[in-house]
Parts: sequence; C-alpha cells; structure tokens
Amino acid sequence: AQTVTQSQPEMSVQEAETVTLSCTYDTSESDYYLFWYKQPPSRQMILVIRQEAYKQQNATENRFSVNFQKAAKSFSLKISDSQLGDAAMYFCAYRSALGANSKLTFGKGITLSVRP
Amino acid sequence: NAGVMQNPRHLVRRRGQEARLRCSPMKGHSHVYWYRQLPEEGLKFMVYLQKENIIDESGMPKERFSAEFPKEGPSILRIQQVVRGDSAAYFCASSSTQGVFDEQYFGPGTRLTVT
Repeated sequence: AQTVTQSQPEMSVQEAETVTLSCTYDTSESDYYLFWYKQPPSRQMILVIRQEAYKQQNATENRFSVNFQKAAKSFSLKISDSQLGDAAMYFCAYRSALGANSKLTFGKGITLSVRP
Repeated sequence: NAGVMQNPRHLVRRRGQEARLRCSPMKGHSHVYWYRQLPEEGLKFMVYLQKENIIDESGMPKERFSAEFPKEGPSILRIQQVVRGDSAAYFCASSSTQGVFDEQYFGPGTRLTVT
C-alpha cells in the first residue's frame, strides 16, 4: 500500500518570502501522480499543482513549484513571494497511474501561516 | 458550469440515528469518490463509484456505511446508527473519465456532528 508522509505539522513564513513544504511517499509502483492541495478555512480542497512521475521536469504553476526527487521519493512544494491568501492547510497526495485504482492517498497536512 | 455540490453542508445527528449525505457531481462527470477527514487529519479514501456500480470500496468501514450512485440523481453516502467517532467532514469528488489524468474536483464537504 502507498503511504504519504508530511512530517512538519506547522510552518510559518513572512509575507513576500519563500517557503518549502516537505512530503515523502512510499510506493512500489513506477508510474504515478503526485499532487499538492490547498485547504483554506472554508475547507474547500483546491488543487495547487500536480506532477507526473514519468516526467523529470519539475512542475511549476506561477508562484508554486515542486522539487520532485523520484529516487528519494520526495515531493516538496515551494511557494515564492508568499501572500496572506496562501495561509491554509496543504496536503500532499499520491495517485497510482493504474486505471483501476484512481483513489487519492493524502498525507496529514501542513498548516501554513503567513506573517504580514 | 456548477461545481460539485454537496448537501447538507452541516448535519447534526444523535447517536443511533441515520445520516444521509448527498453529492451531485459536476455536469458530465460519471465518477464519484467519497473521502472522510477526521479532525487534524488528512482526507482518507472511502469509496469510488461509477453510475450504478461500486468500483472500489476498500476504504469503507465494514458495518453501518453504504454508498450508491444511481442512474438518476446524486450519489448518497449513508451511515446507519451513527456513533461519536463518525463525526468528521465528508468530501465528495468527481471526475469525467478514468483516463490518464482525470482530475478529481472536490465539493465543499459535509460536516457531520454526532451528539
């Protein structure tokens, strides 16, 4: 079974600074997808960024980028130029690329606070 | 295009009562997933359904919980004889295909409180 570990329960960043959120995972599969979701106080789950395991290039979405290290099974999220609206819980998630197994496996999440 | 709809948003039940949570997927989506989020935890997969079929129920508790996604109407997650430990946020997600990159779109969740 796949597992996702987020070992930092909380992090804090100064507005306009950069912060990196860590995530590791365990799987025996070679083809899969990784995601970062944001959950603000409204509890709505919002997809931030996704990465295909077969792609070596790290995904980037505006101020959000990932550092995907497949051999180390590490998938960290970097938020540049942090904004007050980035304050939320962030969840790392794994999904197998096997068609019959589309469930997402989530980590426990990291609470990110942004200091003005 | 309306997103994934869940109702009710908040549900209070006494121990022993039944809870029914509804999920209407996005238009054109025929795949529905249910996840449960306990306090201070990440979301945990419960069940994956297509129209009229349960595809994967490996995360569903063996007793008291059931799910359906009929040909017409919303998907229903049913919890019989609720206990305090069932208090959680229940999220539904939908996707359009089971293809290579079928993104799951999440609803706003139903917060169940068992008193």
